[in-house]
Amino acid sequence: EVQLVESGGGLVQPGRSLRLSCAASGFTFDDYAMHWVRQAPGKGLEWVSGISWNSGSIGYADSVKGRFTISRDNAKNSLYLQMNSLRAEDTALYYCAKVGVLEATWGYFDYWGQGTLVTVSS
Amino acid sequence: QSVLTQPPSVSGAPGQRVTISCTGSSSNIGAGYDVHWYQQLPGTAPKLLIYGNSNRPSGVPDRFSGSKSGTSASLAITGLQAEDEADYYCQSYDSSLSGSKVFGTGTKVTVL
Repeated sequence: EVQLVESGGGLVQPGRSLRLSCAASGFTFDDYAMHWVRQAPGKGLEWVSGISWNSGSIGYADSVKGRFTISRDNAKNSLYLQMNSLRAEDTALYYCAKVGVLEATWGYFDYWGQGTLVTVSS
Repeated sequence: QSVLTQPPSVSGAPGQRVTISCTGSSSNIGAGYDVHWYQQLPGTAPKLLIYGNSNRPSGVPDRFSGSKSGTSASLAITGLQAEDEADYYCQSYDSSLSGSKVFGTGTKVTVL
């Protein structure tokens, strides 16, 4: 059974940093690209960042470019999101999601975690 | 804001058919990129409903169907059931946004 478990969320002051993690199991992690998608309270889904299976291709939404860094450790079956210079508008539930096509960087997301909540407030 | 526009809400009685549109442009749906659909039940993570415009993952009822034409796509739910009350999002790829995956604005389906 595929499982994606996010952690690392919490309350943080504007301008500070936070690192999210996503622990994956139930599939061959290093065969699939992974992404982060966020959802602000009461709002829609927003794609944040994605990383290919071998970390060779990485992308960011313009809203986080230069502040967030995505990475993965295939030996640990883990995905990460380093978030710096956080702003109030980054407040959201952050989901990690698995791409459904083997070795494809972009595509549909066939599995999602339950999310970790990030609140940016003073 | 999103480049894929959906109606904020649609509603229907049990058993009826409802459709949700996803309107894009020549840089996303119109450029030939696939459209995918997700269902998000209240308080839960999104779930893949349709991939590659019209394909259903295993376990998704055939009441759900997807189509694409030109710069738009649609999700149809036939035989609407109470458990279908949820938010629905389309997703595609946009070549004008730094290679961004893009989600639609979302549609709330209400079963009357």
